[in-house]
Amino acid sequence: DIQMTQSPSSLSASVGDRVTITCQASQDISNYLNWYQQKPGKAPKLLIYDASNLETGVPSRFSGSGSGTDFTFTISSLQPEDIATYYCQQYDNPLLTFGGGTKVEIK
Amino acid sequence: EVQLVESGGGLVQPGRSLRLSCAASGFTFDDYAMHWVRQAPGKGLEWVSGISWNSGSIGYADSVKGRFTISRDNAKNSLYLQMNSLRAEDTALYYCAKDIRGRYSSGLDYYGMDVWGQGTTVTVSS
Repeated sequence: DIQMTQSPSSLSASVGDRVTITCQASQDISNYLNWYQQKPGKAPKLLIYDASNLETGVPSRFSGSGSGTDFTFTISSLQPEDIATYYCQQYDNPLLTFGGGTKVEIK
Repeated sequence: EVQLVESGGGLVQPGRSLRLSCAASGFTFDDYAMHWVRQAPGKGLEWVSGISWNSGSIGYADSVKGRFTISRDNAKNSLYLQMNSLRAEDTALYYCAKDIRGRYSSGLDYYGMDVWGQGTTVTVSS
């Protein structure tokens, strides 16, 4: 099974900061990677699909990049409403797996 | 409005069974693969199972293989998860989710989840 290693597990940043989260796959998954945001008490929300495509309606300060085994998720300018846990997820079928999550807090 | 509503959760003793249901509306249900994803209290997301639009492809996480069975009834716009031999570690909030791409997309059976329900809680305890 493909393992997804996400880092850091948590981070604290100031409003306006650039925030970067990484996700590493245990084997080559091409661009088969999505990113989700989960706010406390809410269901996850899809932000990025196919590693770098922004889901409709998602603010452009969110972006993703990478292919193969190494992927990056970036918030270009952290906003108070971005406080959440972020997950990567690979879809190299037939099994899907999530990363462990990154909790983003405001400093 | 696209909507997924889960039901069937509750408190169950270890070793017993439970059946979750998910009612879908607002989209052409039989065009999409569907998934169950769970989240244990204070933990991360875990994909549990997925089923293609026509039930021709089904996948399970190793943690539930042989105990859980996913199914769907396209005539009723419904998704199910039959959970047998439940364990304490199955305690979680269970989400139903719609796959990102429809059946006319070429290539893979599953891509990810773009619509999620609010979840139903399963607690396994004596």
